[in-house]
Amino acid sequence: DGGITQSPKYLFRKEGQNVTLSCEQNLNHDAMYWYRQDPGQGLRLIYYSQIVNDFQKGDIAEGYSVSREKKESFPLTVTSAQKNPTAFYLCASKKTSGTGGSDEQFFGPGTRLTVL
Amino acid sequence: SQKIEQNSEALNIQEGKTATLTCNYTNYSPAYLQWYRQDPGRGPVFLLLIRENEKEKRKERLKVTFDTTLKQSLFHITASQPADSATYLCALEAGTASKLTFGTGTRLQVTL
Repeated sequence: DGGITQSPKYLFRKEGQNVTLSCEQNLNHDAMYWYRQDPGQGLRLIYYSQIVNDFQKGDIAEGYSVSREKKESFPLTVTSAQKNPTAFYLCASKKTSGTGGSDEQFFGPGTRLTVL
Repeated sequence: SQKIEQNSEALNIQEGKTATLTCNYTNYSPAYLQWYRQDPGRGPVFLLLIRENEKEKRKERLKVTFDTTLKQSLFHITASQPADSATYLCALEAGTASKLTFGTGTRLQVTL
């Protein structure tokens, strides 16, 4: 089955620690995205990548980092510089980059990160 | 600044009735508008896309309208069922080639 997987589903971290969230897709999609969702809030874009070895900052990139070394994978690192990292993190992909809103985004199941 | 507004209050309706959700936007000129469904603790799922030159789009019990003059989209679910209970998000392309901006979503609760 094609789709997007995120792991782990739940993640706990101590303050001051970096943590990496995994996102893998086997849909052969070019574009991938990371969003953050807080309770009662919409999705806010952290980073996105339209092609391998290239990525751009979204609206709330501070305290986060990403890499896109393979088409299938787009891991997100939450660094200790992120002031309020507790949130629900969603990864998404889209078939074609550069097509704006004309293509649907496919979402993974999400990772809930809690900082203790 | 650009803004997308969805009613933050939950919409409660009776089974069988038509649910209507609203998405208003300001300082955008989107060519496309999308609607997604999100269940608690899960990722959003795409439902419908409508283009700026389309007034209406239908898919089974779902209907979306897009009024670029009013800067508004309406999302209708006819003959609603308890299984339709979820949060519904609208999303607009964000002015560059590859980004969407999402509204905060409206929670729909369909009761028997």
